[in-house]
Amino acid sequence: QVQLVQSGAEVKKPGASVKVSCKASGYTFTGYYMHWVRQAPGQGLEWMGWINPNSGGTNYAQKFQGRVTMTRDTSISTAYMELSRLRSDDTAVYYCARDLRYGSGSYGMDVWGQGTTVTVSS
Amino acid sequence: DIQMTQSPSSLSASVGDRVTITCQASQDISNYLNWYQQKPGKAPKLLIYDASNLETGVPSRFSGSGSGTDFTFTISSLQPEDIATYYCQQYAFFGPGTKVDIK
Repeated sequence: QVQLVQSGAEVKKPGASVKVSCKASGYTFTGYYMHWVRQAPGQGLEWMGWINPNSGGTNYAQKFQGRVTMTRDTSISTAYMELSRLRSDDTAVYYCARDLRYGSGSYGMDVWGQGTTVTVSS
Repeated sequence: DIQMTQSPSSLSASVGDRVTITCQASQDISNYLNWYQQKPGKAPKLLIYDASNLETGVPSRFSGSGSGTDFTFTISSLQPEDIATYYCQQYAFFGPGTKVDIK
């Protein structure tokens, strides 16, 4: 079945970087854009950006420009999201989510990973 | 940036009630509007895409309508398992969510 499996929880100090992985299975990895969405404790959903696994092209939310890097390894059907210069307000659950539509970024997200908790604390 | 507003922010209804949530966009977004359900501790789940299309496997008591700037999400007969927070979304922007619980 189609699924996304994310890496485990992370605890980081302010100023450090974190890299979260998202392994896809059950579908053609290069056919669907991958989004990253985060959710701070008790808060709503915040879109961070997407990567086109086919081309490697990316589109980041302005808020995260310069701090986020999304990459992929097509040989293992895995997408990555790296966030640098972490602050305490980056503490959140980070989700990867597959775009609804084949070959384009429609921004509808039909398959979600289980989430990765990132805690930033000194 | 597009702003998405939802109302109400929370509601309490009885099992079997009809529940309606509205979402308003700050500019015309045609029908590019999706609805998600999120239960505590779980990832969001896509229910409705392109304003009115029911995602595969989603019960037919869920529906959506609207276009332009004003959209509506409806649960025709609230069930206990529908307790969740519901979000509208247009491209990169999510609404603030509506928390639904049982009266």
